[in-house]
Amino acid sequence: EAGVTQSPTHLIKTRGQQATLRCSPISGHTSVYWYQQALGLGLQFLLWYDEGEERNRGNFPPRFSGRQFPNYSSELNVNALELEDSALYLCASSLEGTGKVYTIYFGEGSWLTVV
Amino acid sequence: AQSVTQLGSHVSVSEGALVLLRCNYSSSVPPYLFWYVQYPNQGLQLLLKYTSAATLVKGINGFEAEFKKSETSFHLTKPSAHMSDAAEYFCAVRAFRGSARQLTFGSGTQLTVLP
Repeated sequence: EAGVTQSPTHLIKTRGQQATLRCSPISGHTSVYWYQQALGLGLQFLLWYDEGEERNRGNFPPRFSGRQFPNYSSELNVNALELEDSALYLCASSLEGTGKVYTIYFGEGSWLTVV
Repeated sequence: AQSVTQLGSHVSVSEGALVLLRCNYSSSVPPYLFWYVQYPNQGLQLLLKYTSAATLVKGINGFEAEFKKSETSFHLTKPSAHMSDAAEYFCAVRAFRGSARQLTFGSGTQLTVLP
């Protein structure tokens, strides 16, 4: 069974441009999470989507946005790129159900470099 | 709000020695706790999870963790370190209801295994 897949693996953008990162969850998983892992800043929660709806977002400016498609895949958009947006962006997926704790599985990540 | 604190950003042990990575949690409700490992240039892999069943949790690769409510701790241990254990380890907490069901991570502990 395929795991969480992310594309592209590496992306280089110029400051001010837009970046789009994509994620395919494990088959059957309805929840998708996005995290930013910047050097020295640890793993910061960005967004959580479930059943096509944004359920929660972390403390990031509105230029970080995303969506989840009917097939549960997701994309993360970062507008007006700044140098400090350079980071590893991790996507994760899980089953979802109130009162149950399902394992969250991570992809290999997309490296975004802003120059 | 739930949070975890990892004591020690870097831990070095000799091959064959005990591994002890510390994690303390803060939660107003019974927490669900996780340990993930990240090898260089890779995503996160689940080592083990505590979901209010047995307080001693066994995971993959010989790791285990004990949930101690009185100490608000969930330390990760392995009796004998192997060179392949060198990686970064993250403790995480997750709510099982509400809008904050994403994982909240500690700052990570880099484990070095010395020959």
